[in-house]
Amino acid sequence: AQTVTQSQPEMSVQEAETVTLSCTYDTSESDYYLFWYKQPPSRQMILVIRQEAYKQQNATENRFSVNFQKAAKSFSLKISDSQLGDAAMYFCAYRSVWNYGGSQGNLIFGKGTKLSVKP
Amino acid sequence: SAVISQKPSRDICQRGTSLTIQCQVDSQVTMMFWYRQQPGQSLTLIATANQGSEATYESGFVIDKFPISRPNLTFSTLTVSNMSPEDSSIYLCSVVVANYGYTFGSGTRLTVV
Repeated sequence: AQTVTQSQPEMSVQEAETVTLSCTYDTSESDYYLFWYKQPPSRQMILVIRQEAYKQQNATENRFSVNFQKAAKSFSLKISDSQLGDAAMYFCAYRSVWNYGGSQGNLIFGKGTKLSVKP
Repeated sequence: SAVISQKPSRDICQRGTSLTIQCQVDSQVTMMFWYRQQPGQSLTLIATANQGSEATYESGFVIDKFPISRPNLTFSTLTVSNMSPEDSSIYLCSVVVANYGYTFGSGTRLTVV
């Protein structure tokens, strides 16, 4: 079974600085999707960025970018020019390409990293 | 991407009662997922609901406790039955969009007293 590990329960960054959140995963599959989700206190899960495993190029969305190391099974999120609105829980998630049993395409989440942004 | 309306946003319930949570999607989707997020924890999949068939439950979750309905391609309900304080959590629905994109409802914060 696939697992997702986020080893940093909490992180803190100064406004306008850069922070990197770590994520590792375990899988025997060669093709899959990886995601970073943001959950502010409002509880809404917001997609930050996604990466297809077959793509070697790291995904980028404005101030958010990933460092995808497929061989190392690592998928870290870098937030540049941090803003107060970036403060939230960040979840790394994995999804198989193929359907297995009854769990057809659900996301597997890490435990999350709570990011604080200091003004 | 799809927009999900989830209701209620929060509720406080007496133990032994049941609560039904609704998710309405603004477009037709094949699969809907129901997650539980216990306080300070990550999201755990409860079940996958496909239209026209019984929901598929994950280990540790049973239909008698969490019955799910999926009457059409835009709507689903999750009922939390015979509630106890341990059921106090955030419950979220989610749908798959464009094969690998996911959209979540805004969540239901349930407190059982």
